[in-house]
Amino acid sequence: AQSVTQLDSQVPVFEEAPVELRCNYSSSVSVYLFWYVQYPNQGLQLLLKYLSGSTLVKGINGFEAEFNKSQTSFHLRKPSVHISDTAEYFCAVSLYNFNKFYFGSGTKLNVKP
Amino acid sequence: NAGVTQTPKFRILKIGQSMTLQCAQDMNHNYMYWYRQDPGMGLKLIYYSVGAGITDKGEVPNGYNVSRSTTEDFPLRLELAAPSQTSVYFCASSYSLGNTGELFFGEGSRLTVL
Repeated sequence: AQSVTQLDSQVPVFEEAPVELRCNYSSSVSVYLFWYVQYPNQGLQLLLKYLSGSTLVKGINGFEAEFNKSQTSFHLRKPSVHISDTAEYFCAVSLYNFNKFYFGSGTKLNVKP
Repeated sequence: NAGVTQTPKFRILKIGQSMTLQCAQDMNHNYMYWYRQDPGMGLKLIYYSVGAGITDKGEVPNGYNVSRSTTEDFPLRLELAAPSQTSVYFCASSYSLGNTGELFFGEGSRLTVL
């Protein structure tokens, strides 16, 4: 079975500071990895994904994530956050056929001025 | 281009009532999904469909039913509503051929069962 763990339920950070949101997964087979963002009262939208190739992937809004197979992690980073990055971020894994996606419990990023 | 459309956005039900959450997509996606989102729990898959006429259970299917008679529509039926079904429900869709794994979400339906 697959599972996704996001250890930090809330991350407060000041504007222009760097941030890292942690994601670890468990799976007995190869998976694809995703980060989604949810702004208040909206659905989720894709931030970035890792399917294959370079383990460092870049997404929208200046976010990037690094796939670490040995540590089964896919942490999300941004060197300098903005107020507009305040949202909830979800890590997710999918099997090769994309039939099912498994989501973490989410991390609420609160960017303070 | 509307994308994924969910109705209603809000609904209050009494215990034991039934209702259907509607989901429609206009992107010709074969794959469609229903998730529920509870605070601090992330999203849990209720049912999914890989094409018209084909549905399968996800992680938390009990108390729900789905059908997929057309590519566009994927309604979620709640029979005998219970307080445990109070949640925000999201419908999503994705491509099958040439799938890059991106899910497209609707704006959600907030259901309260009293």
